[in-house]
Amino acid sequence: GQQLNQSPQSMFIQEGEDVSMNCTSSSIFNTWLWYKQDPGEGPVLLIALYKAGELTSNGRLTAQFGITRKDSFLNISASIPSDVGIYFCAGQTLYSGAGSYQLTFGKGTKLSVIP
Amino acid sequence: DTEVTQTPKHLVMGMTNKKSLKCEQHMGHRAMYWYKQKAKKPPELMFVYSYEKLSINESVPSRFSPECPNSSLLNLHLHALQPEDSALYLCASSPTENYEQYFGPGTRLTVT
Repeated sequence: GQQLNQSPQSMFIQEGEDVSMNCTSSSIFNTWLWYKQDPGEGPVLLIALYKAGELTSNGRLTAQFGITRKDSFLNISASIPSDVGIYFCAGQTLYSGAGSYQLTFGKGTKLSVIP
Repeated sequence: DTEVTQTPKHLVMGMTNKKSLKCEQHMGHRAMYWYKQKAKKPPELMFVYSYEKLSINESVPSRFSPECPNSSLLNLHLHALQPEDSALYLCASSPTENYEQYFGPGTRLTVT
């Protein structure tokens, strides 16, 4: 099946610093999604990307859909303590043989912000 | 409103019990999903319902039985579970299958 390589696995940064994380794959995706998950809670959608090359912002967050449709990155500017959590990328594509779509998740990037 | 609700928040059940997890959304979404998430792992897809019909079953054991009574509700019936089934069970919905998915807060299930 499809796999997403998400990096880095974890990062420790100072409050106020910028953060960058990315996902790559050998497969093509038609949608890229970025989620943030706090412990014991469900993932919260941050940004959705639908077109190759698309660059989208949501407040301090910026994400891009790679031109090859095989990668995406998420940047967080001027990090604050509440940015702490696990960030997941997810690529969506047709589910083999079923005519339905499925999400494939990266393994997550655990972000820690030092005040 | 992009809210998906799930009940209960926590559930502890024995291996001989029968219980159900419930999920509800009022966004008019026509696709709904069940995921299982183990600690420090990403969510794993279990089932997809599209227009109230089961479209994907990811080879999930029969002790998990999904049900979609109407376009707003999704249930997951549990029977004879094993301790390794303990996990966070997440429900999600999307306008249709090829759009962004919105997740609920999850049900933390512990099988004893």
